Amino acid sequence: EPEVTQTPSHQVTQMGQEVILRCVPISNHLYFYWYRQILGQKVEFLVSFYNNEISEKSEIFDDQFSVERPDGSNFTLKIRSTKLEDSAMYFCASTRAKLSLSGANVLTFGAGSRLTVL
Amino acid sequence: KNEVEQSPQNLTAQEGEFITINCSYSVGISALHWLQQHPGGGIVSLFMLSSGKKKHGRLIATINIQEKHSSLHITASHPRDSAVYICAVIVSGGGADGLTFGKGTHLIIQP
Repeated sequence: EPEVTQTPSHQVTQMGQEVILRCVPISNHLYFYWYRQILGQKVEFLVSFYNNEISEKSEIFDDQFSVERPDGSNFTLKIRSTKLEDSAMYFCASTRAKLSLSGANVLTFGAGSRLTVL
Repeated sequence: KNEVEQSPQNLTAQEGEFITINCSYSVGISALHWLQQHPGGGIVSLFMLSSGKKKHGRLIATINIQEKHSSLHITASHPRDSAVYICAVIVSGGGADGLTFGKGTHLIIQP
């Protein structure tokens, strides 16, 4: 069964350092998402990406965050200068069609990347 | 601001029991997702609903758009069903694509 692959599974970094989290979405999927989950809290939407540009972003997704699809397979989330409060599990997800459309539309999540900022 | 409320927050039941988890939301939606988060953290999509009812194995999901309410049922529950079950919605209008998540229901099925 096709999978969304995320690397690294766990990263520990110092406050102020740049972090890049990588995702390989399912090959025939067109819409890509990043979510985060702070320990003990609910999952939160960060950003959606389609056709090589951001289609929607949340209030959390400020100037410290960026996403790109550099080579047609990887989908990356960059945090420029990490803060303690960026410590969370970051999930990548992908889907073939826009989530807001009705019909069979499977959203597939990666296993997550746990980021710890010290 | 749309809120997604789930109940109960925690549920412990015996193997074989019929389980119901509820989700209510406060604005119009285009779709609702039920997700399962395993103890290791991984998230699996169970259902996407925009109306009516869907069934997959022992899992049944229903939605009442007028009442702004959805339920997830598990029949003949098993310890391997132990997980956090999360309701998430897509708010309708404007082509918005970001999911708004509930806090989850932590389910434990005891043998």
